[in-house]
Amino acid sequence: NAGVTQTPKFQVLKTGQSMTLQCAQDMNHEYMSWYRQDPGMGLRLIHYSVGAGITDQGEVPNGYNVSRSTTEDFPLRLLSAAPSQTSVYFCASTSFNEQFFGPGTRLTVL
Amino acid sequence: GENVEQHPSTLSVQEGDSAVIKCTYSDSASNYFPWYKQELGKGPQLIIDIRSNVGEKKDQRIAVTLNKTAKHFSLHITETQPEDSAVYFCAAKPSPNNNDMRFGAGTRLTVKP
Repeated sequence: NAGVTQTPKFQVLKTGQSMTLQCAQDMNHEYMSWYRQDPGMGLRLIHYSVGAGITDQGEVPNGYNVSRSTTEDFPLRLLSAAPSQTSVYFCASTSFNEQFFGPGTRLTVL
Repeated sequence: GENVEQHPSTLSVQEGDSAVIKCTYSDSASNYFPWYKQELGKGPQLIIDIRSNVGEKKDQRIAVTLNKTAKHFSLHITETQPEDSAVYFCAAKPSPNNNDMRFGAGTRLTVKP
């Protein structure tokens, strides 16, 4: 099993650009989530999904969209990047409360 | 909503000593409390967890204690080794039907050889 995979590992955007952060898991978990990690703030939940076709907002959803067309994939979209979205983004899939995190995407918005 | 506070933000110990990291939470309905270890350039990894119906759990050199009345829980690492150096996060799950995990701000543990 590859577990949770994320691409890209690093990305630099200009303000106003759009991009999609990819996340995939091969553990057949229904629950997946996206977090952002900022210095001194731990991880904050952006969006989550309890299964294909179902998504919901977390603690900090503004500026981000998600979709869940398959159990395996849970992409995160930034429609118009802002410097405040500079962060490290982690995708996770969950089974019986245990969260498995991907390696992260470090995003810089100039 | 749930608010998790974690202390200290940095902790430096000598190899072989014990390390203790403490967290408090605000929502008395929270029922699941995991601890994660994050090494440089990697995602957090679950190292131990405890549920609200248990007061203490141990796994080799790592133990977690939970005081529901005071709404705090702690991570204890004994006989620390340099490879224990990492950032540790506590978290709390606000309700049984909600997978929205709330994290503490993290503790950077350094174990000096």
